[in-house]
Amino acid sequence: GAVVSQHPSRVICKSGTSVKIECRSLDFQATTMFWYRQFPKQSLMLMATSNEGSKATYEQGVEKDKFLINHASLTLSTLTVTSAHPEDSSFYICSASVGGGYGYTFGSGTRLTVV
Amino acid sequence: GQSLEQPSEVTAVEGAIVQINCTYQTSGFYGLSWYQQHDGGAPTFLSYNALDGLEETGRFSSFLSRSDSYGYLLLQELQMKDSASYFCAVSRGSARQLTFGSGTQLTVLP
Repeated sequence: GAVVSQHPSRVICKSGTSVKIECRSLDFQATTMFWYRQFPKQSLMLMATSNEGSKATYEQGVEKDKFLINHASLTLSTLTVTSAHPEDSSFYICSASVGGGYGYTFGSGTRLTVV
Repeated sequence: GQSLEQPSEVTAVEGAIVQINCTYQTSGFYGLSWYQQHDGGAPTFLSYNALDGLEETGRFSSFLSRSDSYGYLLLQELQMKDSASYFCAVSRGSARQLTFGSGTQLTVLP
């Protein structure tokens, strides 16, 4: 089946530094990928829709200058958390549609801890 | 905007049947899907309904009534490994973005 590989699975960074998270579709082309954030015991909140070759579409309230998204190829989307702060500590998950909006496959997630 | 409501917690015993309900309010609705998430893991796709009716996939079934903006996930022959969070999600927008419900924590007791 369709697989989305996400790296790193865990990262600890110092406050003020930037962290890049990669999301790759391994056996299919993903023109659109989605980035979510999930706080403990809470739901997944859509942050942005990443479109190959164009600018990402951010959800209301998500700072596009803080969460930089690049989707330079049909198999790779990256999320960079810039100038990270402790409140950015969360579980970040990417996903891609496997066709027609029917069923999405998710990456394994990245646990970000900012100290 | 979009909103989805589902129970926060459900408890059942092994072998039982449990139903998790989901009501939603959204514009541009394309379908209702269900995802399972174990602690620390990523969501995994369970089922999807675009049209009214029941979809069956093994021990899991999902139902949708578009006129009532309501759906449910039915889990049969519960197993301990089914203990997890279950999310309903609506597909909306041109890119079929998913908006998730708050999740239902299912605990299966021996």
